[in-house]
Amino acid sequence: NAGVMQNPRHLVRRRGQEARLRCSPMKGHSHVYWYRQLPEEGLKFMVYLQKENIIDESGMPKERFSAEFPKEGPSILRIQQVVRGDSAAYFCASSPSTGEQYFGPGTRLTVT
Amino acid sequence: KNEVEQSPQNLTAQEGEFITINCSYSVGISALHWLQQHPGGGIVSLFMLSSGKKKHGRLIATINIQEKHSSLHITASHPRDSAVYICAVYTGTASKLTFGTGTRLQVTL
Repeated sequence: NAGVMQNPRHLVRRRGQEARLRCSPMKGHSHVYWYRQLPEEGLKFMVYLQKENIIDESGMPKERFSAEFPKEGPSILRIQQVVRGDSAAYFCASSPSTGEQYFGPGTRLTVT
Repeated sequence: KNEVEQSPQNLTAQEGEFITINCSYSVGISALHWLQQHPGGGIVSLFMLSSGKKKHGRLIATINIQEKHSSLHITASHPRDSAVYICAVYTGTASKLTFGTGTRLQVTL
């Protein structure tokens, strides 16, 4: 049973470009969470999704950030018009229900 | 004040030492995670617990719900234990985690 997969592992974008981060949950898991870890800071919740539904997006910045978890395929975290302050590690976690979460390896986004 | 506080922030130990990392929280929780993160690496869940004590190898986690406190112990520490240890809590019925700022552990020979 493969763990949570994230890709790409490293992503470099120039200011103003779009970043798309993908997360494939563990098999059988229908709950996905996205967290952000800014340099030298702790992890912060961004969004919680179930298939085709956003359950809690209270941690998402109001602009430029969106997330989806379609019926088929991975969950996508999309950042439009990236700025240097978006440089961070973005972690995805999944769970079978509202239980223990399993983390992916993260995507390290660098905005130049 | 953060809802989840960890101490110490940094810890250096010699190989073989017994290590304790503490986590205090100020909100009602349904469960607590201890996580491990190596530099530049991913996050591994060590324990999830809602009461009592759990043990896995050289790692032991305890939680006291009344005192809103949890501890992570490492017995016979080894340089490969060097990592950041993060306490995270599930609050109420929410599924999102609230994280402590982490304890950076370095174990030297």
